[in-house]
Amino acid sequence: GGIITQTPKFLIGQEGQKLTLKCQQNFNHDTMYWYRQDSGKGLRLIYYSITENDLQKGDLSEGYDASREKKSSFSLTVTSAQKNEMAVFLCASSITGGNTEVFFGKGTRLTVV
Amino acid sequence: GEKVEQHESTLSVREGDSAVINCTYTDTASSYFPWYKQEAGKSLHFVIDIRSNVDRKQSQRLIVLLDKKAKRFSLHITATQPEDSAIYFCAASSNTGNYKYVFGAGTRLKVIA
Repeated sequence: GGIITQTPKFLIGQEGQKLTLKCQQNFNHDTMYWYRQDSGKGLRLIYYSITENDLQKGDLSEGYDASREKKSSFSLTVTSAQKNEMAVFLCASSITGGNTEVFFGKGTRLTVV
Repeated sequence: GEKVEQHESTLSVREGDSAVINCTYTDTASSYFPWYKQEAGKSLHFVIDIRSNVDRKQSQRLIVLLDKKAKRFSLHITATQPEDSAIYFCAASSNTGNYKYVFGAGTRLKVIA
């Protein structure tokens, strides 16, 4: 089995700050995703990547940048943190080329003060 | 784009009874419908899925039904147990190659002993 590791687990930032969240997977999956989870709103796709150096926008990409530095890692940057923002960011991965199970990391909980 | 609506935001059932969670989707091209479970303090994990070439799938106490005409699918948990208490998310994706999974807002299921 594999694992998805997200760092940090908790992130406290200040308004206007640029914040970076990291994700590593050892499944050898081609596709990786970043989702934002807000209470009562489910998961919303921010960015995804189907291979190294690829980047595709999701429905919630405004205010974020992403980078797929290598196959095993996918990072997400909040370009300017919004005051009182609070959400959990979930990294996930799956095999490309078919509708298959998506594996999730444990999440990074962001609080902006 | 695809929208997935999860009809029950919360659901309480007595231990041993069945629980049913309903989802509808909008994109007729959607062909893969997974369900994920999120236990308290943990990330999401896959529980069962159904593809559009069948209308029913069962895995132990979990049954998924798919009505393509109505663009509706549902998760039935039979003989519920306290450990079934969690948030359940439905999702949909298509074979159009965009690798996007669209999630519902989640249903918080509570099994009362």
